[in-house]
Amino acid sequence: DVKVTQSSRYLVKRTGEKVFLECVQDMDHENMFWYRQDPGLGLRLIYFSYDVKMKEKGDIPEGYSVSREKKERFSLILESASTNQTSMYLCASNQGGQGLNTEAFFGQGTRLTVV
Amino acid sequence: GQNIDQPTEMTATEGAIVQINCTYQTSGFNGLFWYQQHAGEAPTFLSYNVLDGLEEKGRFSSFLSRSKGYSYLLLKELQMKDSASYLCAVRRNNQGGKLIFGQGTELSVKP
Repeated sequence: DVKVTQSSRYLVKRTGEKVFLECVQDMDHENMFWYRQDPGLGLRLIYFSYDVKMKEKGDIPEGYSVSREKKERFSLILESASTNQTSMYLCASNQGGQGLNTEAFFGQGTRLTVV
Repeated sequence: GQNIDQPTEMTATEGAIVQINCTYQTSGFNGLFWYQQHAGEAPTFLSYNVLDGLEEKGRFSSFLSRSKGYSYLLLKELQMKDSASYLCAVRRNNQGGKLIFGQGTELSVKP
């Protein structure tokens, strides 16, 4: 059974804190993604990684950074958390290439609240 | 850039048929995915289209017209458990698998 695991389901942090969201996949996928999901806005891509140590900005990278030191792990970092970063964060991975098996598999999500 | 549009909400009756539309404008189009997401859960894959036409998978079908930048998801014999958000996502042809999502359509199935 394929699996994408996010380290926390719920997280509460204070404004200004540095926050790490961790994601691990066990499918040997090349690509990994971080999205945030907000009511009425859908899933918005924050960052995308297509290989170890490779990353590409998505649509809303401001205030975030990422790290991909190993193929199976993709971390999202909030350098200084702000209240407008309160959201549901979803990690996903897919195999890359251009066939059907590039469907993305999602983790369960981390609901982050910044107070 | 890219733009993906779906209706925000739809309501349908149990046993009926519903069609959820998705229009998109994107550079480097290389496939369209539909996902289902129940409240509080992760999105799960439903269907994939890269060529024009209809793909059928049980009660669910998905259609694509690349020239029109248009897709729809058709759900037949609706069941209460089909109440969920349906997400349209477009794949771009750079880096092989980057997915951009629409805002999702919240479908409510009534008895």
